[in-house]
Amino acid sequence: DAKTTQPPSMDCAEGRAANLPCNHSTISGNEYVYWYRQIHSQGPQYIIHGLKNNETNEMASLIITEDRKSSTLILPHATLRDTAVYYCIVRGRTSGTYKYIFGTGTRLKVLA
Amino acid sequence: NAGVMQNPRHLVRRRGQEARLRCSPMKGHSHVYWYRQLPEEGLKFMVYLQKENIIDESGMPKERFSAEFPKEGPSILRIQQVVRGDSAAYFCASSPGAEETQYFGPGTRLLVL
Repeated sequence: DAKTTQPPSMDCAEGRAANLPCNHSTISGNEYVYWYRQIHSQGPQYIIHGLKNNETNEMASLIITEDRKSSTLILPHATLRDTAVYYCIVRGRTSGTYKYIFGTGTRLKVLA
Repeated sequence: NAGVMQNPRHLVRRRGQEARLRCSPMKGHSHVYWYRQLPEEGLKFMVYLQKENIIDESGMPKERFSAEFPKEGPSILRIQQVVRGDSAAYFCASSPGAEETQYFGPGTRLLVL
């Protein structure tokens, strides 16, 4: 089972910041938080990942709480093309390998 | 650097036929993962391979499904005697190392009639 909990859906106005929350209260110390998105059933697209510190790249920012039990993905200026299902994944060693266990994700709709 | 490539992108098979799905990882990546996505569901892990070795097949059905990643050429996911329930999107991901970020291909959409 996925170690993450996300709201099933969110709306965001175009041009505004989209803040997508993720709870991972059972995360272990060496497990990373990864974010991917899937647009129109295409292949999942990597966005960002982090362990403890906040991270930023050209696509998004990742804010991880100090206790690491939750995180927020921030798309600073959402566009219509950001409409997608966003998956938060806690990646650790499961049965000896680093496979991903996907949850149901958050369906983000960016509104014009 | 080309991304992960999968072919065919769409595959139609009749019940009882065989389906072969191919995945070419990104250049320099020797780790391949296969995932399956049923309609309106999230992705489910199937199998993890390194060159010539199956490392973890815990998510793969015991019968009719097999995977390989030969020394030369793409990784192959093979489904024998397909049934309607095999209709799904099959995604391949690759990474340069076991603990590194996985990058996904565009998927193969299998439809079993």
